[in-house]
Amino acid sequence: EAQVTQNPRYLITVTGKKLTVTCSQNMNHEYMSWYRQDPGLGLRQIYYSMNVEVTDKGDVPEGYKVSRKEKRNFPLILESPSPNQTSLYFCASRPTAWVRYGYTFGSGTRLTVV
Amino acid sequence: AQTVTQSQPEMSVQEAETVTLSCTYDTSESNYYLFWYKQPPSRQMILVIRQEAYKQQNATENRFSVNFQKAAKSFSLKISDSQLGDTAMYFCAFMKAYSNSGYALNFGKGTSLLVTP
Repeated sequence: EAQVTQNPRYLITVTGKKLTVTCSQNMNHEYMSWYRQDPGLGLRQIYYSMNVEVTDKGDVPEGYKVSRKEKRNFPLILESPSPNQTSLYFCASRPTAWVRYGYTFGSGTRLTVV
Repeated sequence: AQTVTQSQPEMSVQEAETVTLSCTYDTSESNYYLFWYKQPPSRQMILVIRQEAYKQQNATENRFSVNFQKAAKSFSLKISDSQLGDTAMYFCAFMKAYSNSGYALNFGKGTSLLVTP
């Protein structure tokens, strides 16, 4: 089944403790992206990657890091999480050439930073 | 700046009835893509329908159709024969381009739709 897989689904952590949210897709998509969803704000892009070793900032990149060492994986790293990063996070992917197809989204990771 | 506005935070409709969700957007681009995503309580983001701006014909996917008015920058979603499973948050989204060939979906704040028996 074609899908984007995120782990974990739920995560509670303490301020300052480094964490990684994993994302993997099995569709051979070049383009991958991370979004965060906050009440009343919709979804906003954090980082994106157009291919292996090519990443760039989205609209809200502060406090996040990403890496793209393999085509299928795009982990999101929070090196020193803060409470304002409590949010619902989505990983998404799409074929680069097919903008009109939009994105395939993962199931989301609910992160709480206390 | 490219913005997406959904003016209806909440709506309700009875089963089997038709409902229309509004969306307006602002852009200076001539070619772009618009989408409606559905987010049920499971929180999965599901693509409902998409529209390419250069196509004049309104997109249709089974019970879902759009009314795309390019000049008015309006992109409403019509759900016919509403079903209980249509209960969800619906997001209108605009595919915007960054200067380096990157893209992002620019989302509205969502409309919460409740389908009642």
